[in-house]
Amino acid sequence: IAGITQAPTSQILAAGRRMTLRCTQDMRHNAMYWYRQDLGLGLRLIHYSNTAGTTGKGEVPDGYSVSRANTDDFPLTLASAVPSQTSVYFCASSDNSAGVQFFGPGTRLTVL
Amino acid sequence: GQNIDQPTEMTATEGAIVQINCTYQTSGFNGLFWYQQHAGEAPTFLSYNVLDGLEEKGRFSSFLSRSKGYSYLLLKELQMKDSASYLCAVRDSNYQLIWGAGTKLIIKP
Repeated sequence: IAGITQAPTSQILAAGRRMTLRCTQDMRHNAMYWYRQDLGLGLRLIHYSNTAGTTGKGEVPDGYSVSRANTDDFPLTLASAVPSQTSVYFCASSDNSAGVQFFGPGTRLTVL
Repeated sequence: GQNIDQPTEMTATEGAIVQINCTYQTSGFNGLFWYQQHAGEAPTFLSYNVLDGLEEKGRFSSFLSRSKGYSYLLLKELQMKDSASYLCAVRDSNYQLIWGAGTKLIIKP
């Protein structure tokens, strides 16, 4: 059982390029989340989905979009990457919005 | 605004006890979480408190006082593998987690 997987593990991207970070969970969790983690700051919520077919904006949604076509997958897209989006991105899932969140291994993204 | 405060860094000795404090001011309260994060890895769940008092789980315990907006994580019999960052997070009235910046714990032999 893999839990939550993320791809790629790391990526260097030119500014202005489009990029999709992938997240897949096999726990049949209803809720999924995307966070970014920057040095000296707490995890910040980008977007979330409480159930398949619905999404919501978190604390820092600008420049990012998500979709939730099914229970397992929750991709995060950067339409036109900028250097300030350089960060470590974590996907997480929980049984429901009140449950414990479990994290994927993260994607380290560098935008030059 | 919403705010979670925890010390940036702490140092302790192998075999000793350490207490990591967390104070919070959030819009609503629906539970407090502690996570452990080793360098370069994902956060992993340690404990959850929603009622006042102490929750014990092996060498780790977590305490909550909702009236004081305060929690602590107590680690006993410290081992070198406990060197990590410890993240405090509060679930607010919208059921979103608000995270502290984390406390880096350094264990010395």
